[in-house]
Amino acid sequence: SQTIHQWPATLVQPVGSPLSLECTVEGTSNPNLYWYRQAAGRGLQLLFYSVGIGQISSEVPQNLSASRPQDRQFILSSKKLLLSDSGFYLCAWGFGAQETQYFGPGTRLLVL
Amino acid sequence: EDQVTQSPEALRLQEGESSSLNCSYTVSGLRGLFWYRQDPGKGPEFLFTLYSAGEEKEKERLKATLTKKESFLHITAPKPEDSATYLCAVHTGGGNKLTFGTGTQLKVEL
Repeated sequence: SQTIHQWPATLVQPVGSPLSLECTVEGTSNPNLYWYRQAAGRGLQLLFYSVGIGQISSEVPQNLSASRPQDRQFILSSKKLLLSDSGFYLCAWGFGAQETQYFGPGTRLLVL
Repeated sequence: EDQVTQSPEALRLQEGESSSLNCSYTVSGLRGLFWYRQDPGKGPEFLFTLYSAGEEKEKERLKATLTKKESFLHITAPKPEDSATYLCAVHTGGGNKLTFGTGTQLKVEL
């Protein structure tokens, strides 16, 4: 069966510091991978998605970037965090043309 | 632009009191409608995928239905453990993007 991991679970960072969130998937090959952000009272917002190694599509221009260095690894980064980057970050994977997306446990980020 | 609206925003039920959650959508070319359950502080858990009007799917006390304009999540005789936020999302043409609603927060009390 497939498993998706995210770490860290919680992160408190000062404004202007860098960020690296990691997501890995087990039990599948060549999945589509996604980064979402969920703000309180709002729906999930798609940030980035990837259909393969080194292939990244950005949905929202912002202070964040994503990379996919390996088939089942997806990384969300920032060089300098803003207060507005606070939120709940979710990684998801999917497969196929009419795919269902399966979510990881999430990372709670608080920027102070 | 694709839009998904869920109602009500919050719902409080007594144990055993059946009800329905609504997800209405405005999209061009629906390829799938998804229901997820999300517990506080956790990632969404997949429940159902519906692909065409008239389709129904069931899981324990939950039943999802789909029309050309909306989907319903029916909860029969709910229990306190059904308390969660229920999210609806649509998958349309032009890529793998899911558009989510803001969810219905359900609380089931004894």
